[in-house]
Amino acid sequence: SQQGEEDPQALSIQEGENATMNCSYKTSINNLQWYRQNSGRGLVHLILIRSNEREKHSGRLRVTLDTSKKSSSLLITASRAADTASYFCATDSAGFQKLVFGTGTRLLVSP
Amino acid sequence: EPEVTQTPSHQVTQMGQEVILRCVPISNHLYFYWYRQILGQKVEFLVSFYNNEISEKSEIFDDQFSVERPDGSNFTLKIRSTKLEDSAMYFCASSGQRGLVTGELFFGEGSRLTVL
Repeated sequence: SQQGEEDPQALSIQEGENATMNCSYKTSINNLQWYRQNSGRGLVHLILIRSNEREKHSGRLRVTLDTSKKSSSLLITASRAADTASYFCATDSAGFQKLVFGTGTRLLVSP
Repeated sequence: EPEVTQTPSHQVTQMGQEVILRCVPISNHLYFYWYRQILGQKVEFLVSFYNNEISEKSEIFDDQFSVERPDGSNFTLKIRSTKLEDSAMYFCASSGQRGLVTGELFFGEGSRLTVL
């Protein structure tokens, strides 16, 4: 299975702190993406990192990718209460027309 | 900003009934997907669709499921005879001209299906 697993399953921090979520996957990939889901809502794309990239930044987000370890991390710096959501990694592989989502990390940011 | 829209937002049905979930993808997108999420659990791939045919489907997408793009704008998921375990949030998504090569999927807000 290509499916990713996020770690930790849940993370609770204070506003202003950094949040780090990790994702591991099993097969070789083209891209790895991170999505956010507010409770009961649809998924929103955050950032994509290609298999030949090692690090990418977007605003307060920093994503790393280590293809040798088949893992990625998402760092949210200076978190805000509005960052409270579930975060999912998702991978796609050559020859497959689908994104496979990980199990997700529930992030709670307290004011 | 273009968005994927889904209807209904919530449907309650009796076991064994047929259900059709509807989606309007972003207008210039060519790849379409259905995913489902059982409450609080992982997001599971059901099917991808391109050029009026299924590109890929998961083991979940058995003979009870079908998809259609009947009129060039709507993209529907039909469940022929619903089971209790079909209760979930169903998400439609679309992506651009080069599908996953360009990156992100755009998701709708979901249709919650409750099977009694």
